[in-house]
Amino acid sequence: EDQVTQSPEALRLQEGESSSLNCSYTVSGLRGLFWYRQDPGKGPEFLFTLYSAGEEKEKERLKATLTKKESFLHITAPKPEDSATYLCAVQGLSGNTPLVFGKGTRLSVIA
Amino acid sequence: DTAVSQTPKYLVTQMGNDKSIKCEQNLGHDTMYWYKQDSKKFLKIMFSYNNKELIINETVPNRFSPKSPDKAHLNLHINSLELGDSAVYFCASNRMSEKLFFGSGTQLSVL
Repeated sequence: EDQVTQSPEALRLQEGESSSLNCSYTVSGLRGLFWYRQDPGKGPEFLFTLYSAGEEKEKERLKATLTKKESFLHITAPKPEDSATYLCAVQGLSGNTPLVFGKGTRLSVIA
Repeated sequence: DTAVSQTPKYLVTQMGNDKSIKCEQNLGHDTMYWYKQDSKKFLKIMFSYNNKELIINETVPNRFSPKSPDKAHLNLHINSLELGDSAVYFCASNRMSEKLFFGSGTQLSVL
């Protein structure tokens, strides 16, 4: 069974204090690993898809990386508007497998 | 224009009642989903439809019945509501294996 574990559960940063969120996964053949951002009262919003180990993607202050067992979401010099819950999800290769989500990391960036 | 829209946003009801949540997407996607997000923010797949056909049906009580009248719509009907059904329900859509687009969620509170 596909599984995703995210850590830490919650993270509090000062504005400008860079850090990383971790997503460990087990899947029988990876089709893709997805990062989403979720703001309170809203649906998850797509950030990145990574397909193979060694791949990296960037968007503004966010950079996602992928190995065969985990993914990191690096946040460089965060701002208060980066505060949100960040969700990681994996999709396996077999059949019509849906995205399996982790429980998320709740990020708070304090000015 | 909203890509994935679901109604209502909030649903407060008594135990034992029957209720429905509606979802529509205007992205031309062929696959639609229902996810449930519990109080700990854990997103779990419930159902998936591809071109009006049910392709994923996770372990969900029979009281939950999805219906897809066409590939742009996926509704969720819930019979005999229980306290444990209280959660946020998200509709989502995609082209198979691509990123998911989520609606803004329906917060269901069963009293």
